[in-house]
Parts: sequence; C-alpha cells; structure tokens
Amino acid sequence: AQTVTQSQPEMSVQEAETVTLSCTYDTSESDYYLFWYKQPPSRQMILVIRQEAYKQQNATENRFSVNFQKAAKSFSLKISDSQLGDAAMYFCAYRGHYGQNFVFGPGTRLSVLP
Amino acid sequence: EPEVTQTPSHQVTQMGQEVILRCVPISNHLYFYWYRQILGQKVEFLVSFYNNEISEKSEIFDDQFSVERPDGSNFTLKIRSTKLEDSAMYFCASSESVPRAKPFYNEQFFGPGTRLTVL
Repeated sequence: AQTVTQSQPEMSVQEAETVTLSCTYDTSESDYYLFWYKQPPSRQMILVIRQEAYKQQNATENRFSVNFQKAAKSFSLKISDSQLGDAAMYFCAYRGHYGQNFVFGPGTRLSVLP
Repeated sequence: EPEVTQTPSHQVTQMGQEVILRCVPISNHLYFYWYRQILGQKVEFLVSFYNNEISEKSEIFDDQFSVERPDGSNFTLKIRSTKLEDSAMYFCASSESVPRAKPFYNEQFFGPGTRLTVL
C-alpha cells in the first residue's frame, strides 16, 4: 500500500520570504501522480500544484514550485514571496496511474507572519 | 466557476441514528468520491462511485456506510447507525473523467465539507 509522509506538522514563514514543505512517499508503482492541496481555514481543499511522475521537469505554478526527486521518493513544495493568504494546512497527496483515490499525508500547518 | 457543494455544513446527531450527507458534484463530472477527516488527522478515502455503482472503497467503508446517486445531481453518503468515532469532516469530491481514459492526472474537485458530530 502506498503511504505519504509529511514530517513537519507545523511551519512558519515571514511574509515575502520563501518556505519549503517536505513530503515523502512510498510506492512500488512506476507511474503515478503527486499533488499538493491547500486547505484554508474555510476548510475547502484547493489544488495547488500537480506533478506527473514520468515528467522529469519540476512543476511550477506562479509562486509555487516543486522539487520532485523520483529516486528518493521526495516531493517538496516551495512557496516563494509568501503572502498572508498562503496560511493554511497543506496536504501532499499521491494517486496511482490507474487509481481513483488519493492517499493523503497528515498535513503541514503553515503560518505566515506579517 | 462550477464547484462541488455539500449540505448541511454541520450535522449533529445522536449515537445510533442514521444520517445522510448530501453532495452536488460538478454537473459534467462522472466520478464521485467521499473522504473523511477526523479532527487533527489526515484526510482518508472512503469510496468512489461511477456509473451508478461503487468502483473502489477503503476498509473504513464498512456495512454501515452506503452511497447513492438518487437523481441526476445529488450524491449521498448514508451512515446507518452512527458511532462516536464517526465524528469527522466529510468531504465529497468529483472528477471529470475516468482515470484510465487519460494517461495523466485526473483532478478531483472537493466540496467544502460537512462536519458531523455524533453525541
């Protein structure tokens, strides 16, 4: 069974600074997808960024980028120029190529300090 | 922008009672999901539903749970006899297409959740 680990239960960052959230996973599959979801205090989860495992290039979405290390099974999220609105719970998630459901990590609560 | 909606936002029930949580997925989506998140814990998959039948379920989804698409728009999760440990946030999600039909990701859109409190 696949597992997703986020070793940082809480992180904080100063506004305008950069922060990196860690995620590691375990799988025997070679083809899969990885995601970062953001869950603000309003509770609705929003997709932040996704990565296909067969792509070597790291995904980037504006201020959000990932460092995908397939051999190390690592998928960290970097948030540049942090904003107050980035404060949320961040979940790393895995989905197999043919799977339908996500396997979520335990989450990292990010605080952004003014 | 289309979104997944869920009602009610908060449901309080007595242990042993039946509850039905309702979701309206995005209208052109074909796959539907339920997840739950016990307070302070991670989000866990419960069940996926396609073409009017369960396509995948987790070990959490035992006989006390059932899902239904009673009409063209609603997707419901029923818990027959609630237990204290069923208290959680329940999220509905939907996705546009069958994962096997596309050799790449298939984004799931999540609803705002229903907080279930079992007393």
